[in-house]
Amino acid sequence: QQPVQSPQAVILREGEDAVINCSSSKALYSVHWYRQKHGEAPVFLMILLKGGEQKGHEKISASFNEKKQQSSLYLTASQLSYSGTYFCGTESPDNYGQNFVFGPGTRLSVLP
Amino acid sequence: GAVVSQHPSWVICKSGTSVKIECRSLDFQATTMFWYRQFPKQSLMLMATSNEGSKATYEQGVEKDKFLINHASLTLSTLTVTSAHPEDSSFYICSARLAGLYPYNEQFFGPGTRLTVL
Repeated sequence: QQPVQSPQAVILREGEDAVINCSSSKALYSVHWYRQKHGEAPVFLMILLKGGEQKGHEKISASFNEKKQQSSLYLTASQLSYSGTYFCGTESPDNYGQNFVFGPGTRLSVLP
Repeated sequence: GAVVSQHPSWVICKSGTSVKIECRSLDFQATTMFWYRQFPKQSLMLMATSNEGSKATYEQGVEKDKFLINHASLTLSTLTVTSAHPEDSSFYICSARLAGLYPYNEQFFGPGTRLTVL
């Protein structure tokens, strides 16, 4: 079952912050975040495993709340290069080691 | 990071012809490759899971006789769209899973192939 992402779209000014949420009705083993620019393949951002994991890279961080079955991606002081569509891919115990189920995507536009 | 290539990057063909798309893992062995289709402004929809040396597993609603998948080696999977029609026009993306990377089930995506059927 496809996870739900919110918001569907967001427009920011350069330097502003954004939060993208991904929630599932199923218990999750892991959440994977990708960013896709128009006409290109998705680019891996990070993986979060169950257990309340949080991680970050530069000004992008994420958290995983396994009790709430949701993950959030935090974009701090956004840059123009952050523009794109962000997808979360979820892995549950019944499809572990197989495919991810991707959310519908959140379209992020960063304006100068 | 691991690199996955796809060939061709784009293809334009006439209705009724067949098109083959290759997906290669360049610097690692992939026991499992996935084929996705993505329509404009939509998410990635899994078409099939391809395992080396065995038959592909197709998602519900995907015609296995129309979308032929062959995973001949640990570094190559091919998707053949047979008798393509305009409604098959889409962005086709493959991904490969790095074998043995427990507990991470990371997928590496190819750059995608844009198919346009006239």
